[in-house]
Amino acid sequence: GAVVSQHPSWVICKSGTSVKIECRSLDFQATTMFWYRQFPKQSLMLMATSNEGSKATYEQGVEKDKFLINHASLTLSTLTVTSAHPEDSSFYICSARSTGTSLPITDTQYFGPGTRLTVL
Amino acid sequence: GQNIDQPTEMTATEGAIVQINCTYQTSGFNGLFWYQQHAGEAPTFLSYNVLDGLEEKGRFSSFLSRSKGYSYLLLKELQMKDSASYLCAVADSNYQLIWGAGTKLIIKP
Repeated sequence: GAVVSQHPSWVICKSGTSVKIECRSLDFQATTMFWYRQFPKQSLMLMATSNEGSKATYEQGVEKDKFLINHASLTLSTLTVTSAHPEDSSFYICSARSTGTSLPITDTQYFGPGTRLTVL
Repeated sequence: GQNIDQPTEMTATEGAIVQINCTYQTSGFNGLFWYQQHAGEAPTFLSYNVLDGLEEKGRFSSFLSRSKGYSYLLLKELQMKDSASYLCAVADSNYQLIWGAGTKLIIKP
C-alpha cells in the first residue's frame, strides 16, 4: 500500500509554455498533498501544501500565480508551472499524507517518483 | 526557530555498521521520520518514531530520545545499494514536516 504516482516523469518544454504535473495516491485517500522542489545536490524545498477542496498554502517566496495547485479530489493534486523559464528547471516531487487507518502509519508522507522538468 | 541537524556526509565500508545521527529543535513534536533518497530519485519512507526507544526493521533500526531531541538511524551489514542520502524529518505541532538537509552516505568496498 501507500503508492503515489506522478505524471509525467520527465518533461522538456520551451520557455514561456505551461506544464502540468499530476500527483495521484493510488491505494489510499490523502486529504493533504505536498509539492516539493529539489535542485541538484540540494535538500528538498517545500513549495506548497495542498488540501482537498481548499486553496493551497504556499511557502514564503513561492509565487502562487506561477505555480498553480489544484487538489480536486482525495487522490489527485496537480501542479501547473505557468510561463516556465529555464530557472524553473528542477526536480518536482509530490507527497501524499495518509489519513486512513488502513495504512501502516498515518500522518506519514509518501512520495511520488518525481518529475524532472527542463525548460529550454 | 526550528532546526534539524545531521552530518553532511559519512563514509562506511561494505558489510560494516553505520549510525547516522539527527538532532532537532521544533515547535511541537508529532514524530520523527527517516527517508532514503538515491541520487535522481524521490525519497522513500524508512521509519517513523514517536515514542522513545528503538524500532528495528531488518537491517535498519531507528532510535528516538524525545527528552534529548535526538534520533539515529542504524544501518547494519551495509551493502553498496545503501549508498544514498538519508533524510531526517520531524513533524511539528501542525504535522508539518521539518526537513534536515540530509546525510550523504558513501559505501566503499
